[in-house]
Amino acid sequence: DGGITQSPKYLFRKEGQNVTLSCEQNLNHDAMYWYRQDPGQGLRLIYYSQIVNDFQKGDIAEGYSVSREKKESFPLTVTSAQKNPTAFYLCASSIRTGPNYGYTFGSGTRLTVV
Amino acid sequence: AQKITQTQPGMFVQEKEAVTLDCTYDTSDPSYGLFWYKQPSSGEMIFLIYQGSYDQQNATEGRYSLNFQKARKSANLVISASQLGDSAMYFCAMREGNGQNFVFGPGTRLSVLP
Repeated sequence: DGGITQSPKYLFRKEGQNVTLSCEQNLNHDAMYWYRQDPGQGLRLIYYSQIVNDFQKGDIAEGYSVSREKKESFPLTVTSAQKNPTAFYLCASSIRTGPNYGYTFGSGTRLTVV
Repeated sequence: AQKITQTQPGMFVQEKEAVTLDCTYDTSDPSYGLFWYKQPSSGEMIFLIYQGSYDQQNATEGRYSLNFQKARKSANLVISASQLGDSAMYFCAMREGNGQNFVFGPGTRLSVLP
């Protein structure tokens, strides 16, 4: 079955560490997205990519980095510059951009700073 | 300015009754799509229903229908015959014709009472 796989489901980070969240899709979707969700709140866009080797910053990109070396993969690195990284991270993909195309979401990664 | 407004942080409904979750949006783009997603406590985002700005009829998907009032810029979700499994966060989202990505509302937490 096609879908988006996020791993790990839970991740713990020590102060000052970089951590990488994995997002893989086998839907052959062009566009991929990373969102952050804080408790009881909506989703905020971190980064997105419409095509391999190209990506754009979203609303809250500071302290995060991404790469898109393959169509299927869009990993997110949470760097030590991100001062408050504890949150739920959702990866999504869309077959293409445009008003008629919805997102397919992964199941999320819950990141906690310890 | 908020592009998507959901004015009900929390709602309660009795099992088997209908409930309406409010959503208003703001755009000057004539071409846009409106989406509703459900997020249970497990965290995954589940697509429920879509309405295009040029669609003449209100969208329906099983127990879900979208009350689309274009002039008022509202896209309320109606859930008929509520079930206990409907207890979740519900997000309204919009994708504009010239937009690369979604804008999400803050969400409404629905609790279905037995």
